[in-house]
Amino acid sequence: EDQVTQSPEALRLQEGESSSLNCSYTVSGLRGLFWYRQDPGKGPEFLFTLYSAGEEKEKERLKATLTKKESFLHITAPKPEDSATYLCAVQVHTDKLIFGTGTRLQVFP
Amino acid sequence: EAGVTQFPSHSVIEKGQTVTLRCDPISGHDNLYWYRRVMGKEIKFLLHFVKESKQDESGMPNNRFLAERTGGTYSTLKVQPAELEDSGVYFCASSPLGRSPDTQYFGPGTRLTVL
Repeated sequence: EDQVTQSPEALRLQEGESSSLNCSYTVSGLRGLFWYRQDPGKGPEFLFTLYSAGEEKEKERLKATLTKKESFLHITAPKPEDSATYLCAVQVHTDKLIFGTGTRLQVFP
Repeated sequence: EAGVTQFPSHSVIEKGQTVTLRCDPISGHDNLYWYRRVMGKEIKFLLHFVKESKQDESGMPNNRFLAERTGGTYSTLKVQPAELEDSGVYFCASSPLGRSPDTQYFGPGTRLTVL
């Protein structure tokens, strides 16, 4: 069965304290891996798509990387406005997304 | 460009009643998806429309759920009769036709509470 696991469930960081979020997946034939950000009361907001192992993408303080078994979302020098839940999802045989449960990030000033 | 919109934002109904959720995708997006997040669980796929046709409805939990997309524009998801376990947040997403895999853009969701 296709599965996505995110860790940690929750992460508290001091402003400026860099860290990484993990998304490990067990799927048969990855077509794409997606990272979304979700703020309370809102829908998931698209961040990145990664298609193959070795691929990396960056946006401001965020950098996403992909291997054959997992993806990392690296957050460099985070700010309080980076506080949100970060969701990882994979697309396998069909167009549907299979989500992990997310990592809730809190960044304190 | 307007994003995906959903109506209502919140709905509170009693067990046994009927509720209809609406989703308006981004203009020109032929792919439309419904997802659901129940308390403490991950977001799960319900179904996928390509224009007005159901491409994949493997995630629909049972026959109390009916999704339609007449004319290939907006979509409705009806729950009849609603049960307690139907409570959760229902998300709609859309993407353009042609590229696959393609980014799905999500709406703000409808929070459904069944009492």
